Amino acid sequence: EAGVAQSPRYKIIEKRQSVAFWCNPISGHATLYWYQQILGQGPKLLIQFQNNGVVDDSQLPKDRFSAERLKGVDSTLKIQPAKLEDSAVYLCASSPSDSYEQYFGPGTRLTVT
Amino acid sequence: AQSVTQLDSQVPVFEEAPVELRCNYSSSVSVYLFWYVQYPNQGLQLLLKYLSGSTLVESINGFEAEFNKSQTSFHLRKPSVHISDTAEYFCAVSRGNFNKFYFGSGTKLNVKP
Repeated sequence: EAGVAQSPRYKIIEKRQSVAFWCNPISGHATLYWYQQILGQGPKLLIQFQNNGVVDDSQLPKDRFSAERLKGVDSTLKIQPAKLEDSAVYLCASSPSDSYEQYFGPGTRLTVT
Repeated sequence: AQSVTQLDSQVPVFEEAPVELRCNYSSSVSVYLFWYVQYPNQGLQLLLKYLSGSTLVESINGFEAEFNKSQTSFHLRKPSVHISDTAEYFCAVSRGNFNKFYFGSGTKLNVKP
């Protein structure tokens, strides 16, 4: 069974530029999560989808971050414009419906200079 | 919002020694509790979980955690660690409904020969 795929693995941009991350969850997993993990901290949930609907986006900075999961499969997280404090690893995870077990992808390491 | 505290950012220990990684959470309501592990250069993976029932839960590789409601703790223990247990361990909580996940800042376990 293929795991959660994320791309790119690394990205370096300048502040005020835009960036997008892509995630393909495990086939059949209805729930998809995006986390931000700043160096030295634990993952912070940004947004959670159930199929193509948003379950929780209470910690998503909506003035600059956006995410979508069209067709309820893969998802894109965008930052526009980026700030220095957005430097972090962005993790995508998925899980089957009605399950607490999340399967994490390898993450995208973003550096904003 | 929930908070999850992992007081020890790093725990060095010799091989075959016992270890305890501490996790405390703040909540006045029922929670579901998890430990995730991240081995070097790998993604996070679920180690064990407490949802209900017995307060002592075990993993397949010898770790165990005990849910203590009165102390709002979910400490992770292993009676004898191996070099291969070297990893970062994250405690996480959810208030239920398969959402609202909060992670601690992680504890790096370094097992020395």
